[in-house]
Amino acid sequence: DTGVSQDPRHKITKRGQNVTFRCDPISEHNRLYWYRQTLGQGPEFLTYFQNEAQLEKSRLLSDRFSAERPKGSFSTLEIQRTEQGDSAMYLCASSPRPDPYEQYFGPGTRLTVT
Amino acid sequence: AQSVTQLDSQVPVFEEAPVELRCNYSSSVSVYLFWYVQYPNQGLQLLLKYLSGSTLVKGINGFEAEFNKSQTSFHLRKPSVHISDTAEYFCAVSLNDMRFGAGTRLTVKP
Repeated sequence: DTGVSQDPRHKITKRGQNVTFRCDPISEHNRLYWYRQTLGQGPEFLTYFQNEAQLEKSRLLSDRFSAERPKGSFSTLEIQRTEQGDSAMYLCASSPRPDPYEQYFGPGTRLTVT
Repeated sequence: AQSVTQLDSQVPVFEEAPVELRCNYSSSVSVYLFWYVQYPNQGLQLLLKYLSGSTLVKGINGFEAEFNKSQTSFHLRKPSVHISDTAEYFCAVSLNDMRFGAGTRLTVKP
């Protein structure tokens, strides 16, 4: 068990560019979550998947954001036409079927939009 | 909708002293409560959780929390802190999705 991994760890991009982040959950964890964390704040829920199905999306997830989990394993989060306000830490977490409330977090991807 | 308020943004304390980090929640229905810790440049790690049963919950690293339904609180305590406990602590409430408080920065001084 290597834990939840995220790639890249850091991303610097110019405003207007598209970025994509990847999350690899703990194997056999059927739930996968995405959060956004800005400086001095707690994580804010964005969306979650159960296997490949996206079951819930926050209002924070604007039309420029899209998340996928095509085979029920890894997930990607894409932000199109990035804005400076998108600068944040993007966290991924996964949880096992028997205990969906115990979420295991990855180290996060820090996005800086210049 | 549920929400969480962490009453202290920063808590400085000396090593070996006791500490309490305060958390209040609001929800119209029964919820599940959690405390997570985030060390610098690391992801969040679950300290403890309350789902049901005993209101006193013991977690890792010597931390414990008490669920108080009448006061809608879930305060985190440790009787004697170490330098290594310096980190950001987040209280969270979950019904369908997880809602986090803004965090409390615990700084343990020698």
